[in-house]
Amino acid sequence: GQQVMQIPQYQHVQEGEDFTTYCNSSTTLSNIQWYKQRPGGHPVFLIQLVKSGEVKKQKRLTFQFGEAKKNSSLHITATQTTDVGTYFCAGRTGTASKLTFGTGTRLQVTL
Amino acid sequence: GAGVSQSPSNKVTEKGKDVELRCDPISGHTALYWYRQRLGQGLEFLIYFQGNSAPDKSGLPSDRFSAERTGESVSTLTIQRTQQEDSAVYLCASSLFSGVVGEKLFFGSGTQLSVL
Repeated sequence: GQQVMQIPQYQHVQEGEDFTTYCNSSTTLSNIQWYKQRPGGHPVFLIQLVKSGEVKKQKRLTFQFGEAKKNSSLHITATQTTDVGTYFCAGRTGTASKLTFGTGTRLQVTL
Repeated sequence: GAGVSQSPSNKVTEKGKDVELRCDPISGHTALYWYRQRLGQGLEFLIYFQGNSAPDKSGLPSDRFSAERTGESVSTLTIQRTQQEDSAVYLCASSLFSGVVGEKLFFGSGTQLSVL
């Protein structure tokens, strides 16, 4: 079945440093979404990418969808303590198919 | 309601008992998902309902797990003869369905299930 892996599993950075998480799917995706889960909370939608090679920005967050639509990345510039949480990518192989979540990357930010 | 509602928020049960978890999706959302999240782990897909289509049950881990959905509203996840490894947070999510691109999921706060 479809597998979505993320690396790293965990990253600890000092506030102000950059952070990147990478997402790789075993199958070609029709679209990819990113979610953030704060400690003790539930996942909250961040963004969706649909087109091959697409790049989207949200303030300090930059999201990319690979040319082959099998991988994606999330880059955070100058992390803040409010960025703490687990970041999940999630992909579909078709518009009507289930959404499969990646393994997640837990980000810890310290002062 | 304004968001996805799950009940109970916490459930403690004894090994071997049956449990029923409930999810009320956002009104008008035709898609509904159940995921399981063990402590410190990712989201494990369980089942997906989309409108009147046959549900995608490919993630149910055993025949002890079943789920139903009444039309496009409430869903219940039933776990029979619970085992300690069933202990986890069970998350429900709903979304619109555009048929063109994927829609974002709105999650409930989850049910924390503890099997003693």
